[in-house]
Amino acid sequence: GAVVSQHPSWVICKSGTSVKIECRSLDFQATTMFWYRQFPKQSLMLMATSNEGSKATYEQGVEKDKFLINHASLTLSTLTVTSAHPEDSSFYICSARLPTSGQYNEQFFGPGTRLTVL
Amino acid sequence: DAKTTQPPSMDCAEGRAANLPCNHSTISGNEYVYWYRQIHSQGPQYIIHGLKNNETNEMASLIITEDRKSSTLILPHATLRDTAVYYCIVRANDQAGTALIFGKGTTLSVSS
Repeated sequence: GAVVSQHPSWVICKSGTSVKIECRSLDFQATTMFWYRQFPKQSLMLMATSNEGSKATYEQGVEKDKFLINHASLTLSTLTVTSAHPEDSSFYICSARLPTSGQYNEQFFGPGTRLTVL
Repeated sequence: DAKTTQPPSMDCAEGRAANLPCNHSTISGNEYVYWYRQIHSQGPQYIIHGLKNNETNEMASLIITEDRKSSTLILPHATLRDTAVYYCIVRANDQAGTALIFGKGTTLSVSS
């Protein structure tokens, strides 16, 4: 199956700093990637849809100026948490979509990035 | 609106079959039933999907009722490594370009 990686797998930062998380599709080109956030004991919540070469589409309630998404190539999308605060501590997961529409299991998930803001 | 309903938790003894139910009474004719699971601190993993026929793969079996209003995911011989949150998602193929939306899922605990 297709492989999606995330880097880093975990990060600890001080409040007020910015953190960049990378999502890569390793063996396929992904025109669309999705970013999710998951708080402890809760389900995955969609944050935004990232399309290569265009601006990301954010879900209601997600601050686009705080969570900057860049999908500059068909294999890489980045999520930057700007001016991070403790309430941004969460598990961030990306998924990448195979370009062929209608294909089952067309989304593959990364292993997630654990962000802790002190 | 929630499209699926799952029990919040289930227990299973190692080596026994785990049967995870999902109710999707408002499913449309063009919507498939997908199952994913998430092991603690990992990304979700695809398990299986089906439209109306029963399906089986190396991981699990999916039984869909004739009226398609409910389904059951069967792990035939559960192991400790099957402990995870299992998500049932209904989705049409014309939604292939959109994100998967996760409900609360069922936490399956497999014990020895």
